[in-house]
Amino acid sequence: GAGVSQTPSNKVTEKGKYVELRCDPISGHTALYWYRQSLGQGPEFLIYFQGTGAADDSGLPNDRFFAVRPEGSVSTLKIQRTERGDSAVYLCASSPMPQETQYFGPGTRLLVL
Amino acid sequence: AQTVTQSQPEMSVQEAETVTLSCTYDTSESDYYLFWYKQPPSRQMILVIRQEAYKQQNATENRFSVNFQKAAKSFSLKISDSQLGDAAMYFCAYRKVGNQFYFGTGTSLTVIP
Repeated sequence: GAGVSQTPSNKVTEKGKYVELRCDPISGHTALYWYRQSLGQGPEFLIYFQGTGAADDSGLPNDRFFAVRPEGSVSTLKIQRTERGDSAVYLCASSPMPQETQYFGPGTRLLVL
Repeated sequence: AQTVTQSQPEMSVQEAETVTLSCTYDTSESDYYLFWYKQPPSRQMILVIRQEAYKQQNATENRFSVNFQKAAKSFSLKISDSQLGDAAMYFCAYRKVGNQFYFGTGTSLTVIP
């Protein structure tokens, strides 16, 4: 079946703008994760959904970052008032259950000018 | 806190030879999972191998095997008969049951023809 998909694959925006990044998990996967990967670093956890609810949002850096998963499938990561330091690759992963292996999407590369 | 350390930022191996990538981690948990992921330039994180901490037997997947030393908190990846397609960033990751991943900073593997 289809893997995890993320759109857009690249996003360029200006400082102060609002952006939305979308993740389509593998069908049937109940757990969904967002990570941020800065240049030369490993992915850093942002938030984890079990179904529609955020089970752990301890990795969100500040209140400019927000994520939703209203129907328990597609998720959107929202960043308000973007800053240059938000530039990174944002990765999404899903798994059938929380304790199972995560399958990653190709990521969205965000560049804030 | 959980931390994952990959002390080799770059490694190289001759095609058809064997290479070992190092990873150590810090945890106070007894039950957890360890993973090696491969990230080629396409950005897609691909699962290479997974090890459950309660299993004493080292995991093996074709040319990939691990040396899991629980007491030493060490989890190295051995790639045998290296192929050009193995060239990528390799990330070691730790996951507590039901929780998010913690990734190392990665090792860039070059395969020399």
